[in-house]
Amino acid sequence: QSVLTQPPSVSAAPEQKVTISCSGSSSNIGNNYVSWYRQLPGTAPKLLIYDNNKRPSGIPDRFSGSKSGTSATLGITGLQTGDEADYYCGTWDSSLSAVVFGGGTKLTVL
Amino acid sequence: QLRLQESGPRLVQPSETLSLTCTISGGSVISSGYYWGWVRQPPGKGLEWIGIFYHAGSSFYSPSLQSRLTISADTSKNQFSLKLNSVTAADTAVYYCARCLYTYGHSFCDNWGQGTLVTVSS
Repeated sequence: QSVLTQPPSVSAAPEQKVTISCSGSSSNIGNNYVSWYRQLPGTAPKLLIYDNNKRPSGIPDRFSGSKSGTSATLGITGLQTGDEADYYCGTWDSSLSAVVFGGGTKLTVL
Repeated sequence: QLRLQESGPRLVQPSETLSLTCTISGGSVISSGYYWGWVRQPPGKGLEWIGIFYHAGSSFYSPSLQSRLTISADTSKNQFSLKLNSVTAADTAVYYCARCLYTYGHSFCDNWGQGTLVTVSS
């Protein structure tokens, strides 16, 4: 049982937009910054978004992040088949003094 | 360009100690402002944060692993290591080392090793 809640799967057609939600509480998302990772099959996670909405160098602006209250959202526009992957949210939990992750969301591009 | 590489035994006996090393190239374990850490992923499951440490002494461990866990650095070899005691089959996972950032309220990992599968079995 993950501390952060994500939908197990989402799907959308190529070129469309998709959003992935991440729900937490005041001890984690509500008072800390959220990051998002993408994990392509058989590879290591890769940082997509940090500090709620910032993109590391090299991450295209098709990827965006937002936060409101105790929930965060990852948005991906212009979907490509290469975007099929597992996506994880993560944040600091002040009560645990530890990072917590969501259970992951599998994105399928139909 | 920073590169991280995990190494260590792929098979560990139950009740023994799991030991992994992460070798850093293109960077330094004593880099100012960077923490170094471990994340694991059981087969077919999601990510589980293990812990992070800073070379000057600060560290944070997963509460569920803390009693069995040590993360430390060997600055002479530019490496850091993970030791997890008294392992069981539940510790079977792909273990990733990573460079992370931490300030209060912010923590994320921006560079990851490729991961290594460690199986706990007799």
